[in-house]
Amino acid sequence: GQNIDQPTEMTATEGAIVQINCTYQTSGFNGLFWYQQHAGEAPTFLSYNVLDGLEEKGRFSSFLSRSKGYSYLLLKELQMKDSASYLCAAMDSNYQLIWGAGTKLIIKP
Amino acid sequence: GAVVSQHPSWVICKSGTSVKIECRSLDFQATTMFWYRQFPKQSLMLMATSNEGSKATYEQGVEKDKFLINHASLTLSTLTVTSAHPEDSSFYICSAKPGTGVTEAFFGQGTRLTVV
Repeated sequence: GQNIDQPTEMTATEGAIVQINCTYQTSGFNGLFWYQQHAGEAPTFLSYNVLDGLEEKGRFSSFLSRSKGYSYLLLKELQMKDSASYLCAAMDSNYQLIWGAGTKLIIKP
Repeated sequence: GAVVSQHPSWVICKSGTSVKIECRSLDFQATTMFWYRQFPKQSLMLMATSNEGSKATYEQGVEKDKFLINHASLTLSTLTVTSAHPEDSSFYICSAKPGTGVTEAFFGQGTRLTVV
């Protein structure tokens, strides 16, 4: 079956770095997406990886290892506004997004 | 990025009534739109895939007669929750992709439905 695993909750300190991991199993693979979702709001796109390696975009970076079925989202210089849920989603061979349950990130001052 | 507009943002309705939620792609044509529901502290659950000009494809366990989907044009899809009950109270979110294949999904603002 298809499955996405990511931690339920993480806590980090303002100004620090945090890494949110995601493992996936899908029928075929057309890339890995990361979305940010604040409470009561719709998800917003953060990153997309389809090739192995690290993609950097400002304070946020995303890594993918296709052979390991593994991705992580790296957030640097954490700010209070980064407190949100981070959703990992893998796209299968039918171009359907398979969603993880989300990781709630709590930032403490 | 592309814009998807969803209305209303929140709605309260009485049990037994129907509620219609609209999802519009404002600056692109969306052959396919997706409808999700999300319960508190849970991830997105795909309800159905809406294709312009044809019947929607519903996920297992989603009642097609209860959640009516109409995708009449390339920029508009509607979800109607018929005979709503308190257990239908949830956050409903639509998303659309410009084109087919691997493209970013853009989300509407979501609709908070409360059935009393």
